[in-house]
Order: sequence, then structure tokens, then C-alpha cells
Amino acid sequence: DTGVSQNPRHKITKRGQNVTFRCDPISEHNRLYWYRQTLGQGPEFLTYFQNEAQLEKSRLLSDRFSAERPKGSFSTLEIQRTEQGDSAMYLCASSSRPYEEAFFGQGTRLTVV
Amino acid sequence: DAKTTQPNSMESNEEEPVHLPCNHSTISGTDYIHWYRQLPSQGPEYVIHGLTSNVNNRMASLAIAEDRKSSTLILHRATLRDAAVYYCILLDNDMRFGAGTRLTVKP
Repeated sequence: DTGVSQNPRHKITKRGQNVTFRCDPISEHNRLYWYRQTLGQGPEFLTYFQNEAQLEKSRLLSDRFSAERPKGSFSTLEIQRTEQGDSAMYLCASSSRPYEEAFFGQGTRLTVV
Repeated sequence: DAKTTQPNSMESNEEEPVHLPCNHSTISGTDYIHWYRQLPSQGPEYVIHGLTSNVNNRMASLAIAEDRKSSTLILHRATLRDAAVYYCILLDNDMRFGAGTRLTVKP
């Protein structure tokens, strides 16, 4: 087990294109979180899953942003019609149970040109 | 809408203890207090967590006030590798980060 894996590590896309990121949590971790982080800021909560159920999502995760976790294993985060303001690091984390320590991936850095 | 308040920055000398404070006056009975740190160009890393009692692990100690409205992360001997942004988080289902405290360690 190599920890939380995120792919791709880097993505450059043109404005208006759709992008999808993947997160593979640690095996048997039921909880999975998505965050967005811009330079100098703390991670901004996007959404979290308990198994395959999406239990909470921020107001950001509407309209152009969507996340899924089919079968409660890996998760995908899709951004449609990307904008320059979407440029950020997208982080994924998983934990075995609520309230337990979460393990973060290295993130996917998105650059929208 | 972070529920914790931390100083923006702190400095410490190498080999000395560091006390990082966090205020969480609106904490509820079911909120766990978690601390994470983030080194440059890396994802956040778990440090420690607790509910009511003080906690110790190999990385740090967590001192929780009796009324649970504040807590302190203690690094017993700061090293240059401890320079990072430290986040105090109240965990009740979701996990939301604030701005954190940027710790600088001077040699």
C-alpha cells in the first residue's frame, strides 16, 4: 500500500475544456475528501464521501464541479468549462473512519491557460 | 467559515520547544481537535488529534483546555524540518481548514 494516489500530478488545459482528476485512496478507507488549494491559502473543502455516498459538498461543488465515488473505491473530480480561476492544487485525502487521521495525496496541480 | 483561530505566524529557535495555540470557542461536544501540518510543495500531514484528554505521540503533544475552547500543539524540540504551516481543525464529519500558523524555525 503506497498511500493515497492522485493522477495526473500536473494538468495544463485551455480555458473552456473539461478536466477530470482521479484519486485512489488507501485500501479499505471508507472516507474520502476533496480539497482545492491556491498559493498561500489553506486547503478549501470541496466535498467528502462515506463509501460511495457523497455526504456533503461546498457551494463550489455545483454547476461546473462534480465528484463521484462509484463502488466506494476510487473517486473522480470533474471540472467542466474550466476557467483561469480554477487553477489550483486539488488535494484528495482518505481515512479509515470518521474522526481518525486522514492521509493526503500529493495533489493534482491544474493550470488553466 | 473556519471554526478555529490561530496566529498567522510564529518563530522558534532550533532545539527549543514550540507552543502553537488554537482557539475554538464554538466547539461542540462531538468535535475532535485535529492538527495537521503542511510542508512546502506537499500535501498536509497528520500530526495529532484528541477529544478531551491531552495526547502524546512521537511527533508532538496536544494539550486541550478543560473547557475545550482552546488547545495547544507542543513540539518539544523544534528542528528545521518542522518549519511548516500548522492547521488546527475541528472534525465533526467534514474537515475544514483555516489559514493555519506558519512556523519558522531559526538555526
